[in-house]
Amino acid sequence: QVQLQESGPGLVKPSGTLSLTCAVSGGSISSNNWWSWVRQPPGKGLEWIGEIHHSGSTNYNPSLKSRVTISVDKSKNQFSLKLSSVTAADTAVYYCASKVNSGTYYFDYWGQGTLLTVSS
Amino acid sequence: DIQMTQSPSSLSASVGDRVTITCRASQSISTYLNWYQQKPGKAPKLLIYAASSLQSGVPSRFSGSGSGTDFTLTISSLQPEDFATYYCQQGYSTPLFGGGTKVEIK
Repeated sequence: QVQLQESGPGLVKPSGTLSLTCAVSGGSISSNNWWSWVRQPPGKGLEWIGEIHHSGSTNYNPSLKSRVTISVDKSKNQFSLKLSSVTAADTAVYYCASKVNSGTYYFDYWGQGTLLTVSS
Repeated sequence: DIQMTQSPSSLSASVGDRVTITCRASQSISTYLNWYQQKPGKAPKLLIYAASSLQSGVPSRFSGSGSGTDFTLTISSLQPEDFATYYCQQGYSTPLFGGGTKVEIK
């Protein structure tokens, strides 16, 4: 069974850059899945941030595209998220997830989530 | 962009009740619709994919139906562990989630 584990600083200052990593275990990041980031502001719904394939292809949410970079490290079986110029609106629980294409695209495995707070 | 609208945003129900949650897409998405359950402090859990396919390990009291623009998630007999928030997600293009439906204890 695939397991995902997010890691990151927990607190970022406004205008700074958020950096998170997702370690994949129990499966290979070189599978045909897409590796995604999804966030959830406190008390609110889910927002897809973007995704990467092991080939290096990426897709981003248009509303965040100018600030987001997702990368993959196949040697470590992990992928990472960078979000620049953060504000309080970026405070959220950040999840990594694997996305399957089975006709429909769905998220089958999720990390436990990590709370990232933007504050000075 | 395809918009997803869930209704109701919340509901109160009793153990044993039949519960139905609706998700509407702003344009046809065929059967490219998935459902998740989220409990407080936990990651979402996939329940239904492709509108009506039950994810492995999910109890059979959960079912999904619909195609095109209108979809439903039904819990045939609500159990104590089913009190949670449910989200639909369109799997047709850029992933987008509905606003969620919180199922609370009456």
